[in-house]
Amino acid sequence: SQQGEEDPQALSIQEGENATMNCSYKTSINNLQWYRQNSGRGLVHLILIRSNEREKHSGRLRVTLDTSKKSSSLLITASRAADTASYFCATASYNTDKLIFGTGTRLQVFP
Amino acid sequence: DTGVSQDPRHKITKRGQNVTFRCDPISEHNRLYWYRQTLGQGPEFLTYFQNEAQLEKSRLLSDRFSAERPKGSFSTLEIQRTEQGDSAMYLCASSSPPGREYNEQFFGPGTRLTVL
Repeated sequence: SQQGEEDPQALSIQEGENATMNCSYKTSINNLQWYRQNSGRGLVHLILIRSNEREKHSGRLRVTLDTSKKSSSLLITASRAADTASYFCATASYNTDKLIFGTGTRLQVFP
Repeated sequence: DTGVSQDPRHKITKRGQNVTFRCDPISEHNRLYWYRQTLGQGPEFLTYFQNEAQLEKSRLLSDRFSAERPKGSFSTLEIQRTEQGDSAMYLCASSSPPGREYNEQFFGPGTRLTVL
């Protein structure tokens, strides 16, 4: 079963705008990761944030983590048409290597 | 670039037939994972190996499913007596050896199974 849910389920924006998607999870975690999935391509790892971190940046990506609320957000700044994809958060616990994925946000960026 | 590869990419079968999928991980990775993804959902964990040892299996993995990694390199996932509910994308991933601080998993392109 899925660990939690992502919000919104779908998001449509214009190129140049920022996109924010949120992820909620249910149990304590070691780290939380974000993946991107394009149609016809596999899942690509974007960024990882550890449970003792609150914010992390990578290029145009900014991730926040609030363990007290069991939630994370992914911000993509200055979006491009090539950012069109589904985005998934995935959590990793301390006692297992498996990833538990959320339900995903489908992002559409219009040129 | 020798990423994770999966074969076949697509498989169409009739209900009741057996199917087998293969995954070749990144060569230096000793951990290998199988996930299943249905339309509109995130991937769901099925099982994972460290070298040839199967360390964890999901309750999703019924008796009709079996996974092996006989020499600690490639892995196979077999589904016996397929059912229409088995139709999904089967994803394989691998990760680096223990000792790394975290566990980034690298995914293959998947095998899309359609059971008629």
